[in-house]
Amino acid sequence: EDKVVQSPLSLVVHEGDTVTLNCSYEVTNFRSLLWYKQEKKAPTFLFMLTSSGIEKKSGRLSSILDKKELFSILNITATQTGDSAVYLCAAEGTYKYIFGTGTRLKVLA
Amino acid sequence: GAVVSQHPSWVICKSGTSVKIECRSLDFQATTMFWYRQFPKQSLMLMATSNEGSKATYEQGVEKDKFLINHASLTLSTLTVTSAHPEDSSFYICSAGLARSSYEQYFGPGTRLTVT
Repeated sequence: EDKVVQSPLSLVVHEGDTVTLNCSYEVTNFRSLLWYKQEKKAPTFLFMLTSSGIEKKSGRLSSILDKKELFSILNITATQTGDSAVYLCAAEGTYKYIFGTGTRLKVLA
Repeated sequence: GAVVSQHPSWVICKSGTSVKIECRSLDFQATTMFWYRQFPKQSLMLMATSNEGSKATYEQGVEKDKFLINHASLTLSTLTVTSAHPEDSSFYICSAGLARSSYEQYFGPGTRLTVT
C-alpha cells in the first residue's frame, strides 16, 4: 500500500535554530517528491525532487532526496517565527499524489 | 487513520460534458472539505471550502456555477465540473479537515481530469 510518513509530527524550536524534517515514502511508480508549506488553507509549493542526491536550495530552506532509502529531508536553517507552519510532503505516483500528514513547526521568538 | 479517497483517479471527457469527482473521508468525519486545483510547477490553488450541510465558500476567481460543490454528508463531498473545456484539464485534489482544526487536513490522492 502506498504511504508517506513524516516525522516528527510536531516540533517547537527557538529562532535561530536549525530544523530537519523527514519524509519517508513507499509509492508505486514513484515520480517525484514534493514539499509544501501550509500556513493557512492553501499549501505553498517549496520543492520538487526527482533525482537522488541533488540538493535543492531556496534561501534558508534546502531539501534532498534519497531514492535508494526512499526518503527526503527538508532543512531550515536560522529559523524565524515566520517559518511556523505545517510542512507537507507528497510523493507522486502514476496519476496520484500521496500526502503525508505533515510536520507542525512552531518557532518561538 | 485519517484516510481520504477520491474517485475516479483519472477521467477523460469530451468538451461540453460534466464530470463529477468524489472525495470521501474513509475513517473519520470531516466537517470541512477543501478542493484544490494543481497548476503547473506543482502549485496548489484553493478553489473552495465546503462545510457539511451548507453552501461552499468559493475563492475569488473561481466560478461557482462551473465548479459545483456539494457536501452532503460528513464523509462525502463532490465536485462537478460543468460544461468542461480543455482548459479545465488539471489535477484536482481534495482534503478533509477534522472538526477541531481547519489547518489539520488530510489529502486525497487527486483526480486527473483530461478534457478533449
